[in-house]
Amino acid sequence: KQEVTQIPAALSVPEGENLVLNCSFTDSAIYNLQWFRQDPGKGLTSLLLIQSSQREQTSGRLNASLDKSSGRSTLYIAASQPGDSATYLCAVTPGTYKYIFGTGTRLKVLA
Amino acid sequence: DTGVSQDPRHKITKRGQNVTFRCDPISEHNRLYWYRQTLGQGPEFLTYFQNEAQLEKSRLLSDRFSAERPKGSFSTLEIQRTEQGDSAMYLCASSLADGYTFGSGTRLTVV
Repeated sequence: KQEVTQIPAALSVPEGENLVLNCSFTDSAIYNLQWFRQDPGKGLTSLLLIQSSQREQTSGRLNASLDKSSGRSTLYIAASQPGDSATYLCAVTPGTYKYIFGTGTRLKVLA
Repeated sequence: DTGVSQDPRHKITKRGQNVTFRCDPISEHNRLYWYRQTLGQGPEFLTYFQNEAQLEKSRLLSDRFSAERPKGSFSTLEIQRTEQGDSAMYLCASSLADGYTFGSGTRLTVV
């Protein structure tokens, strides 16, 4: 059974810091991995999707890497801003329609 | 294209009442998903439609839950005889290929 773990559960950093969020999964037979952002009480916004054949994806200040063989992904946020404060969720799918989510990392960026 | 729409945004109901939620996916998306999210947890898969066919239901979806997607367009999720344990955020997502687009969710509170 696939399990997704995110570390740390919560993180508080001063504005301007570069930071790394971690995601690990127990079954390396994934089709793709997706990172999402969730603001309090809101739905999920897709940030980056990495196919199993890819090593990384970049969008603006965000960079996500994938090491499928070791069951790990990282989300790198450069020059963090208070507007980045949110919960970040990673999710994996084995190639079917269903994503398995981690419990998220709650990020607070202090001005 | 206005994204995935969910209605209502919030619903407070008394225990034992029936509730129905609606999801309008992105128009060209043929797949539609329902997830449930409780506080501090990642979303959990409930059910999935490809066009109008419901292809899988999670064991989380008890007999009190029913979902439909008539004509492969919008979808409804009905909960009968609500219980306090049904209190959660109900999220709808749609996709055409890889990756999801989520709606803003319906927050259900059962009192």
